Amino acid sequence: DIQMTQSPSSLSASVGDRVTITCRASQGIRNYLAWYQQKPGKVPVLLMYDVSTLQSGVPSRFSGSGSGTDFTLTINSLQPEDVGSYYCQDYNSVPLTFGGGTKVEIK
Amino acid sequence: EVRLVESGGGFVQPGGSLRLSCAASGFTFGDNAMHWVRQAPGKGLEWVSGITWNGGRTFYADSVKGRFTISRDNTEKSLSLQMSSLRAEDTALYYCVKDKGSIAAYLDYWGQGTLVSVSS
Repeated sequence: DIQMTQSPSSLSASVGDRVTITCRASQGIRNYLAWYQQKPGKVPVLLMYDVSTLQSGVPSRFSGSGSGTDFTLTINSLQPEDVGSYYCQDYNSVPLTFGGGTKVEIK
Repeated sequence: EVRLVESGGGFVQPGGSLRLSCAASGFTFGDNAMHWVRQAPGKGLEWVSGITWNGGRTFYADSVKGRFTISRDNTEKSLSLQMSSLRAEDTALYYCVKDKGSIAAYLDYWGQGTLVSVSS
């Protein structure tokens, strides 16, 4: 089974900062990677899929990149409403696998 | 509007059973694979089980294989998860989740979840 390793597990940044979260797959997953945002006390929401395609309604300050085994989620100009946890997910094969999550806080 | 409404969670002793249900609306249910994803208190997301669009294939995490059974009724637009031999580590919020595709892809809609608590 594929393992997804996210880093960092948590971060604290100032409003307006650029934030980067990485996700590494234990083997190549082509471009079958999605990112989810979970705000405190809320249900997870799909942010993007196929590495870099934004789900409808997601602000353009979110972007994704990478290929093969190494992927990145970037938040350009962090906003207070971006506080929460972020998860990557591989869908190259079953079982579907989530990364351990990254908790984002405002400094 | 896509809606996924879970039910059936509750408190159960170790070794017990529960059946979770999910009522779907707002999309053509029979077109999409469906999944159960759980989240233990204060923890991350864990995929539990999935089923293809027509129910022809089912998939399970190793942690629940042999204990949980996923099923669907496309006529009733419903998804179920029969859970048996429950353990304390199964305690979690269980989400019913819609797959974008027909087999296994990314997850574009999530229900609000139903809480399962396993304790003696």
